Amino acid sequence: KAGVTQTPRYLIKTRGQQVTLSCSPISGHRSVSWYQQTPGQGLQFLFEYFSETQRNKGNFPGRFSGRQFSNSRSEMNVSTLELGDSALYLCASSLAYGLAGVHEQYFGPGTRLTVT
Amino acid sequence: AQSVTQPDIHITVSEGASLELRCNYSYGATPYLFWYVQSPGQGLQLLLKYFSGDTLVQGIKGFEAEFKRSQSSFNLRKPSVHWSDAAEYFCAVGVPTNAGKSTFGDGTTLTVKP
Repeated sequence: KAGVTQTPRYLIKTRGQQVTLSCSPISGHRSVSWYQQTPGQGLQFLFEYFSETQRNKGNFPGRFSGRQFSNSRSEMNVSTLELGDSALYLCASSLAYGLAGVHEQYFGPGTRLTVT
Repeated sequence: AQSVTQPDIHITVSEGASLELRCNYSYGATPYLFWYVQSPGQGLQLLLKYFSGDTLVQGIKGFEAEFKRSQSSFNLRKPSVHWSDAAEYFCAVGVPTNAGKSTFGDGTTLTVKP
């Protein structure tokens, strides 16, 4: 079974621009979560989607948004980029993760975003 | 809200020596616990998980972890470390009422001396 894939792997953007990152989950997984990883803040939860609905959201500004498609693929968008948005963005997929129980998350390799 | 503490930021062990990485969690009910490993520039790989039942769980790469409710701990162990185990290790907790969110510790960086 193919793992979680994320594209692109690396991105360099300028302050004020916007960026879209993509995540394809493991086949059959319906829950997709996004995390931001930085040296200073560690792994921070951005949001989670299940069956095209955002079920949970972390403490990030509205510039961070996402969506999920009917095939469970997910995208996240960051508008008006700031220098502090430079980070590794990780996508994780799971069979299900919520009131029906917690399943382990499988992570993709991440997208390294550098904002200059 | 749940939280995870990994008291050791950095640990150095000699190759062949045993390893124990500490993890303490805070959560009112029985948590779902995970250990992940991350090599530089890579994503996280799941080593093992605890959901319920036997408190000693076995994982991949020869790792095991023991859940101790009385100490709110979930320490990771390996009897003999290999140079390829050098990486960063994260403990995480998940709860059913917080959809899709695992809360991670700050990580422990493992260095292996030859």
